[in-house]
Amino acid sequence: AQSVTQLDSQVPVFEEAPVELRCNYSSSVSVYLFWYVQYPNQGLQLLLKYLSGSTLVKGINGFEAEFNKSQTSFHLRKPSVHISDTAEYFCAVSNRAYKYIFGTGTRLKVLA
Amino acid sequence: EAGVTQFPSHSVIEKGQTVTLRCDPISGHDNLYWYRRVMGKEIKFLLHFVKESKQDESGMPNNRFLAERTGGTYSTLKVQPAELEDSGVYFCASSRGTGDTQYFGPGTRLTVL
Repeated sequence: AQSVTQLDSQVPVFEEAPVELRCNYSSSVSVYLFWYVQYPNQGLQLLLKYLSGSTLVKGINGFEAEFNKSQTSFHLRKPSVHISDTAEYFCAVSNRAYKYIFGTGTRLKVLA
Repeated sequence: EAGVTQFPSHSVIEKGQTVTLRCDPISGHDNLYWYRRVMGKEIKFLLHFVKESKQDESGMPNNRFLAERTGGTYSTLKVQPAELEDSGVYFCASSRGTGDTQYFGPGTRLTVL
């Protein structure tokens, strides 16, 4: 069975500082990996995805993630965060089918 | 292109009442999914439609939940009768093909008192 672990439930960071949100997954088959973001009072928005090819994936709003197969990780990074990045971030995995397995989410709080 | 829309955005009902949630997928997307997030936990898969057919409803909690997608366009998710543990945010998503990237709606926040 697949599973996704987001170890950090909350991450506070100062504005313009770098941030990394961690995501580890378990799966016995090849997977697709996703990061979604939910801004306050909004729905889930696709941030970026890994399907195949380059292990470094760039997404919207300056975010990027790196797929590491040996460590079964897909950590999300941004070199300099803004107040507007305050949101909840969800990592998800799919076994190339239709069912997404989500982590429990990480609340990123950007401080002025 | 309009995104996935859901109605209502919020619903507050009493235990034992019935509630119907609606999802309109992106035009041309044959695949429609329902997910649910109960407070503080992960977003969990409920079921998957391809056009009007249920492909997988293994995530439906129990028989108080009924999902339909008549005509293969919009979908409804009915909870009858609602229980306290049904409270949460219900997300709908759609994709063009099975396995394609899923695009999510804003969710319906259901509160059962």
